[in-house]
Amino acid sequence: EIVMTQSPATLSVSPGERATLSCRASQSVSSNLAWYQQKPGQAPRLLIYGASTRVTGIPARFSGSGSGTEFTLTISSLQSEDFAVYYCQQYNKWPPLTFGGGTKVEIK
Amino acid sequence: EVQLLESGGGLVQPGGSLRLSCAASGFTFSSYAMSWVRQAPGKGLEWVSTISGSGDSTYYYYADSVKGRFTISRDNSKNTLYLQMNSLRADDTAVYYCAKRWPGYYSPLDYWGQGTLVTVSS
Repeated sequence: EIVMTQSPATLSVSPGERATLSCRASQSVSSNLAWYQQKPGQAPRLLIYGASTRVTGIPARFSGSGSGTEFTLTISSLQSEDFAVYYCQQYNKWPPLTFGGGTKVEIK
Repeated sequence: EVQLLESGGGLVQPGGSLRLSCAASGFTFSSYAMSWVRQAPGKGLEWVSTISGSGDSTYYYYADSVKGRFTISRDNSKNTLYLQMNSLRADDTAVYYCAKRWPGYYSPLDYWGQGTLVTVSS
């Protein structure tokens, strides 16, 4: 099973600042990695797939990078609606599909 | 517009059974693989099961934690996904989401329902 590890667990950021979230895989997942956003009481929403491809309608301030075992989600200028929990997920080698433990982006 | 609507959650005693449903609309349901993902209160996301669509070779996959207790199925004539849950335990307590996948092995979960809460408690 591929273990996904996200850091930090909580990130405190001021509106307008940049947020950088990390995700590490226990073995290579190539570029078969997705990022999801989840707001309180809501379902997760797919933001990025293929490590760096934004879903249609996702603002350009969200960008993904990396391949192999190290990945990054960057939010270039945080808006109020971006404060949420973010999960990475690998779909390179499954079952099982595996998720990271999440990074909570909170208002500083 | 893709819509996924889960139902069937509720309170059940340990050892009991429950069947969840996920009604799909806005896409050709039969063509797509579908998954169940759960989230225990205050915790992260845990994949539960995936069933193939007509765009894939036939498969049913389960997490080790539910294998032998849960059964995934689909009725393409009703555009509905199911999860039959037997021998429920307290650690099965979670919000259960259904989610759609693209055809093919390498694909994310692109649409999710709003979830249904399952509580296992005496």
